Amino acid sequence: GENVEQHPSTLSVQEGDSAVIKCTYSDSASNYFPWYKQELGKRPQLIIDIRSNVGEKKDQRIAVTLNKTAKHFSLHITETQPEDSAVYFCAAREGFQKLVFGTGTRLLVSP
Amino acid sequence: NAGVTQTPKFQVLKTGQSMTLQCAQDMNHNSMYWYRQDPGMGLRLIYYSASEGTTDKGEVPNGYNVSRLNKREFSLRLESAAPSQTSVYFCASSGTGHTGELFFGEGSRLTVL
Repeated sequence: GENVEQHPSTLSVQEGDSAVIKCTYSDSASNYFPWYKQELGKRPQLIIDIRSNVGEKKDQRIAVTLNKTAKHFSLHITETQPEDSAVYFCAAREGFQKLVFGTGTRLLVSP
Repeated sequence: NAGVTQTPKFQVLKTGQSMTLQCAQDMNHNSMYWYRQDPGMGLRLIYYSASEGTTDKGEVPNGYNVSRLNKREFSLRLESAAPSQTSVYFCASSGTGHTGELFFGEGSRLTVL
């Protein structure tokens, strides 16, 4: 089955800096790669996703890149703000319905 | 719309006790899921139901059973709770097709003593 590895497990940045979180996956058949944000005590929520026919996708300060050959994808957050502090999960879709998540990255943005 | 609603939000059990986590969604989604979240382990899939009438095992199904009662409701049962099942449980649902976005409930924190 699919295996998703995520790094780093924790990331501390200063407000205004960029943050990059990286994930690798094992199943070359996976074709959908979402990122979820979970604020403290809250439910995970989708923030951006990318499909295997696209190499990069942007949404304001957030971007995701995908390298299918290397089987890795990354989340880029520019001009970080304190409200970006949260746990971020990457995931890869195995088959038609099942998502496999990475272990999460705790991002702390200091003012 | 309430989205995905799960109950209870908190529960404390003794080892060997049984309980059922309830989940309901009002988004007319076909697929529903149960995940558990543990520190450093991310979200791990316990069971899922791709459509009404079907259920399948995920990554960590041992010790759990599920029932897809109808299109709206998907319950998770612990027949004989163990301390290793102490976790936060999330129910989620998604529509069919290529969207695949998961909509999560608020979570249920379960402690097994």
